[in-house]
Amino acid sequence: DAKTTQPPSMDCAEGRAANLPCNHSTISGNEYVYWYRQIHSQGPQYIIHGLKNNETNEMASLIITEDRKSSTLILPHATLRDTAVYYCIVRAHGSGNTGKLIFGQGTTLQVKP
Amino acid sequence: KAGVTQTPRYLIKTRGQQVTLSCSPISGHRSVSWYQQTPGQGLQFLFEYFSETQRNKGNFPGRFSGRQFSNSRSEMNVSTLELGDSALYLCASRVSASNEQFFGPGTRLTVL
Repeated sequence: DAKTTQPPSMDCAEGRAANLPCNHSTISGNEYVYWYRQIHSQGPQYIIHGLKNNETNEMASLIITEDRKSSTLILPHATLRDTAVYYCIVRAHGSGNTGKLIFGQGTTLQVKP
Repeated sequence: KAGVTQTPRYLIKTRGQQVTLSCSPISGHRSVSWYQQTPGQGLQFLFEYFSETQRNKGNFPGRFSGRQFSNSRSEMNVSTLELGDSALYLCASRVSASNEQFFGPGTRLTVL
């Protein structure tokens, strides 16, 4: 699975959009970009994933660049409860894939009032 | 639907003892994965079970083992506990055809 690079920390004002970047320059054609977050001392929570098209769900939007070497997770209106560590993970789909997720250090997002 | 449940939530053991942790996946999920989280190493994959068979294993010593039952519930065992085994142990389940994993709240193990 390709490696990802994320900034260690970011701040965001409450009510503003939080844009979390992720670099995955060695991503392969069959690898998806996944985002999880972990609020202090809880289990990681799935947010969103995508292959090459932009994706949106009730939690966030995922923007993947055309060359797929980077992506941005967007929380449109950050709240204090969005303070967490955000992990960007790339992994392949397919019949041979397993449940193994390789977590990096992630980005600690601090939402401030 | 109930989420992934893990028991116990907290556990204190002493060096040399063994411990068994339990995970009940979301109903209908057949795959269960285990992770260890420590401040120094972050989240690391231990192993995954699917239909009672281990599919993948992380880089952990043989003291770490697991199993899955026919109802998809899973247990992991750590023998001869060391101080460095103190960690949050997380279990995640998924539907076999989907890659979206759902994590439980974890078991906080402290080894004294």
